[in-house]
Amino acid sequence: DAMVIQNPRYQVTQFGKPVTLSCSQTLNHNVMYWYQQKSSQAPKLLFHYYDKDFNNEADTPDNFQSRRPNTSFCFLDIRSPGLGDAAMYLCATSRGHTSYEQYFGPGTRLTVT
Amino acid sequence: QKEVEQDPGPLSVPEGAIVSLNCTYSNSAFQYFMWYRQYSRKGPELLMYTYSSGNKEDGRFTAQVDKSSKYISLFIRDSQPSDSATYLCAMTGPSYNTDKLIFGTGTRLQVFP
Repeated sequence: DAMVIQNPRYQVTQFGKPVTLSCSQTLNHNVMYWYQQKSSQAPKLLFHYYDKDFNNEADTPDNFQSRRPNTSFCFLDIRSPGLGDAAMYLCATSRGHTSYEQYFGPGTRLTVT
Repeated sequence: QKEVEQDPGPLSVPEGAIVSLNCTYSNSAFQYFMWYRQYSRKGPELLMYTYSSGNKEDGRFTAQVDKSSKYISLFIRDSQPSDSATYLCAMTGPSYNTDKLIFGTGTRLQVFP
């Protein structure tokens, strides 16, 4: 089945220790998104790639970076995680720019100690 | 004022009940309206989307959009315990290919046998 895969599902990191979250997709969609979702809150868009074009949201902290080496993979790097960065990180894809139809991965739950 | 407001619940109903989930919004430019279902510790999955005002039915699910009132609804008929999840409304527009999704915070639904 075509899908969006996120690894790891659970990640524990120490305050200030860089961490990388991974997303891969077999849907061959050209748009990939990263969202942050805190408990009982709406998913918050951090950035997205349209093919190789990177689009950062204005309020995404500089601490968050992303890489997309090819169509299938996208990475979220958190350079110096703070306690406030503990959240579920969701990767999503869409075909073209049909942003209303996004396919989400299961998420990575990040804990910062 | 948030762009999208959604009652967080929880909403607890007996199996077989008709469930009504609602969102209000403030941006009259929104044209595309979506409902996502999110099971615990999983990513959201798209249930339905509607363009502009009107109704759309898919099995036990009916989505309604009233743009004049800036109000959208999702009805679930003959609710099942497997419907227990958080339901997120989302919207975008006027252009689906340049505008990002704006999510509500989600309503948690519990259907008990």
